[in-house]
Amino acid sequence: AQTVTQSQPEMSVQEAETVTLSCTYDTSESDYYLFWYKQPPSRQMILVIRQEAYKQQNATENRFSVNFQKAAKSFSLKISDSQLGDAAMYFCAYSPNSGNTPLVFGKGTRLSVIA
Amino acid sequence: EPEVTQTPSHQVTQMGQEVILRCVPISNHLYFYWYRQILGQKVEFLVSFYNNEISEKSEIFDDQFSVERPDGSNFTLKIRSTKLEDSAMYFCASSEEGLGNQPQHFGDGTRLSIL
Repeated sequence: AQTVTQSQPEMSVQEAETVTLSCTYDTSESDYYLFWYKQPPSRQMILVIRQEAYKQQNATENRFSVNFQKAAKSFSLKISDSQLGDAAMYFCAYSPNSGNTPLVFGKGTRLSVIA
Repeated sequence: EPEVTQTPSHQVTQMGQEVILRCVPISNHLYFYWYRQILGQKVEFLVSFYNNEISEKSEIFDDQFSVERPDGSNFTLKIRSTKLEDSAMYFCASSEEGLGNQPQHFGDGTRLSIL
């Protein structure tokens, strides 16, 4: 069974600084997708960034980028130039590329941004 | 931007009572999901639904649970006889396709409290 582990329950970062959130996963699949979702206090989970396992290039979306290490099964999220609006729960999630597949989530990391 | 909407935002129910949680997925989406998040724990998959039938369900989704798409727009989760351990946030999600690379769009969630 696939599992996703986020080892940092809470993190904090100063405004304008950079923070990295960790995520590791376990799977026997070779083709899959990884996601980071953000859940601000308003509760709706929003997709931040997505990585396809067969692509070696790390995904980037503006201030958000990932460090995808397939051999190590590691998928960390880097937030650059942190803003107050980045404060939220961040969930790492995994999905195999086969059929109507549900997401497997980690427990989440609560990120606080300090002004 | 179209959103997944869930009602109610908070539901308080006596143990043993039936509860129905409602979701309106994004209109052109074909795949629908329910997840739940017990306080302090990870988001867990319950069930996925496509073409008017369940396509996958987890061990959590026992005979007390059922899903329905009664009118082509709503997607409901029914818990027949609620237990204290059913208290959780319940999230509905939808996606255009069921492939792993298709992002799932989440609603704000319904907080279910069982007394």
